Amino acid sequence: EIVLTQSPGTLSLSPGERATLSCRASQSSSSSSSAWYQQKPGQAPRLLIYGASSRATGVPDRFSGSGSGTDFTLTISRLEPEDFGVYYCQQYSSSLGEFTFGPGTKVDIK
Amino acid sequence: EVQLVESGGGVVQPGGSLRLSCGASEFTFSSYSMNWVRQAPGEGLEWVSYISSTSTTIYYADSVKGRFTISRDNAKNSLYLQMNSLRPEDTAVYYCASSDYDFRSGLYYFDFWGKGTLVTVSS
Repeated sequence: EIVLTQSPGTLSLSPGERATLSCRASQSSSSSSSAWYQQKPGQAPRLLIYGASSRATGVPDRFSGSGSGTDFTLTISRLEPEDFGVYYCQQYSSSLGEFTFGPGTKVDIK
Repeated sequence: EVQLVESGGGVVQPGGSLRLSCGASEFTFSSYSMNWVRQAPGEGLEWVSYISSTSTTIYYADSVKGRFTISRDNAKNSLYLQMNSLRPEDTAVYYCASSDYDFRSGLYYFDFWGKGTLVTVSS
């Protein structure tokens, strides 16, 4: 089983600041890549990044992803008030036939 | 615009059964693999089950293996989750989500999501 750890647990920043969210896997998966999702209260998750660095359709370019192997990063270059929410990373293992989510990082806008 | 709409949630007693459905529209349903992902109240996301576009490959999370069965009907653009032997820890919002494959990285990811249906297991 692959375990994903996200840090920090909570991030409180002001609009215009840079947010850096980290995701670490307990072992390398078959894909060595990750996806990132944003979830706001009462809403379904929304895909932001896949393949570690590809932005989903309609996602603003202030969101970027990087990393490979077991360490991945989501960066929000200049926070907007609407960027509050919980951010989850996700991996897939073809050898295990399983998908794994991290526990999430909550982003609060000051 | 892609629409995935879940139904079938409700309150059920421990040990009981429930069948969830997910209807898809504005979407080439038969071309996509599909999943169920759940979220317990106040908790994070947990993947539950995956089914390939032609139903030839199916995966389950260990937490539901042997109790839940995923299926699909491409002619009806519908995904299902039969849940048996339900436990209080199965209480969650259940999301239907399509998955796409990134050939460059070898990653399956969830691109479209429904709004979810709440399942409560309680006596």
